[in-house]
Amino acid sequence: AQSVAQPEDQVNVAEGNPLTVKCTYSVSGNPYLFWYVQYPNRGLQFLLKYITGDNLVKGSYGFEAEFNKSQTSFHLKKPSALVSDSALYFCAVTPYSSASKIIFGSGTRLSIRP
Amino acid sequence: DTAVSQTPKYLVTQMGNDKSIKCEQNLGHDTMYWYKQDSKKFLKIMFSYNNKELIINETVPNRFSPKSPDKAHLNLHINSLELGDSAVYFCASSQGHPGLAGGFGEQYFGPGTRLTVT
Repeated sequence: AQSVAQPEDQVNVAEGNPLTVKCTYSVSGNPYLFWYVQYPNRGLQFLLKYITGDNLVKGSYGFEAEFNKSQTSFHLKKPSALVSDSALYFCAVTPYSSASKIIFGSGTRLSIRP
Repeated sequence: DTAVSQTPKYLVTQMGNDKSIKCEQNLGHDTMYWYKQDSKKFLKIMFSYNNKELIINETVPNRFSPKSPDKAHLNLHINSLELGDSAVYFCASSQGHPGLAGGFGEQYFGPGTRLTVT
């Protein structure tokens, strides 16, 4: 079955430290991968996507993610966390072979302490 | 200017009632979506329309019926509401077409409609 996993419900990081939010996927064939962020009582906002090409993708607000095909991962990273990065982060995958399907992960709550 | 707007923001109703949620986007996108986010924050796609044509219809009870009068609007009508329908419903739009190269593309989400069925 096709799926996406965010193994951590919550990630806690001190402001100024690097952060990583993990995402792994299981799809047949190549994936399209996305990261979205949700602030309280708001809709999701697009951060970045991987379609093809360079494995390191840069996105909004200083975030980046690295596509690792051998590990079937697409972890979200930022070199220096801000308190304002505190939010709920979703990874999503669309299988290339079933491009009309999109599967969201369960979300990871990122908490940045001052 | 709000890119994707939904009305109402909150909807409290009793079991068995029929209700509608409206969505409008002013981004000129061709594709619109409805998502359901449950109390545990799981997000699941329900429907998608491309230029008024239904292109995604996930396993959703037929009490839910989307309607797209034009490509800027996508409404969701729910008949005979049940307790399990309580959730936040998000509308979204994108320039991409699910099913084509690039898939869903960058989606823009509305602020959500919190539906509570009592």
